[in-house]
Amino acid sequence: DGGITQSPKYLFRKEGQNVTLSCEQNLNHDAMYWYRQDPGQGLRLIYYSQIVNDFQKGDIAEGYSVSREKKESFPLTVTSAQKNPTAFYLCASSPFTEPNEKLFFGSGTQLSVL
Amino acid sequence: GDSVTQMEGPVTLSEEAFLTINCTYTATGYPSLFWYVQYPGEGLQLLLKATKADDKGSNKGFEATYRKETTSFHLEKGSVQVSDSAVYFCALSMYSSASKIIFGSGTRLSIRP
Repeated sequence: DGGITQSPKYLFRKEGQNVTLSCEQNLNHDAMYWYRQDPGQGLRLIYYSQIVNDFQKGDIAEGYSVSREKKESFPLTVTSAQKNPTAFYLCASSPFTEPNEKLFFGSGTQLSVL
Repeated sequence: GDSVTQMEGPVTLSEEAFLTINCTYTATGYPSLFWYVQYPGEGLQLLLKATKADDKGSNKGFEATYRKETTSFHLEKGSVQVSDSAVYFCALSMYSSASKIIFGSGTRLSIRP
């Protein structure tokens, strides 16, 4: 089955701790994205990557970091600088080699602060 | 800047009722418009899209028509089912790029048997 796998489904962070959310896709998509979803709000773009070894800041990148060493993988690190990390995090991908606005989403990771 | 406004939820209907979820947008040009659906515990899925004025997107009994004159893209379904219970997001894209998609705040729909 082709798709996007996010893990873990639930994650708890202690104060001052960095945590990493995993996102893997086997759709052979070039572009990958991280969104943050807060209750009653739309999705906000954190970071995106259109090609391996390159990524761009989205609207709310502060306190987050990413890497794109492989086409299939786009992990997100929530650093201790992110003071309000509790949210639902969604990873997505899309083909980049054509004008295409369709996003394919993973099932998300709920991050909570202990 | 560009934005999407959709009706606040939750919306609660009985099975087989008619559904409308309102969505209006603000954009400096002519965006593509989308409806995404998020079922409980899952990520979003593209439900339908329209890329130019007067286009009608449709899927799974849902429809939405791109109305340039009213800057709207309302989602409709003639007879809802319990399985339609989900959160629905209206979205726009100005530059044919997924990195430029702007999402509305979502509308939670609950269908009573």
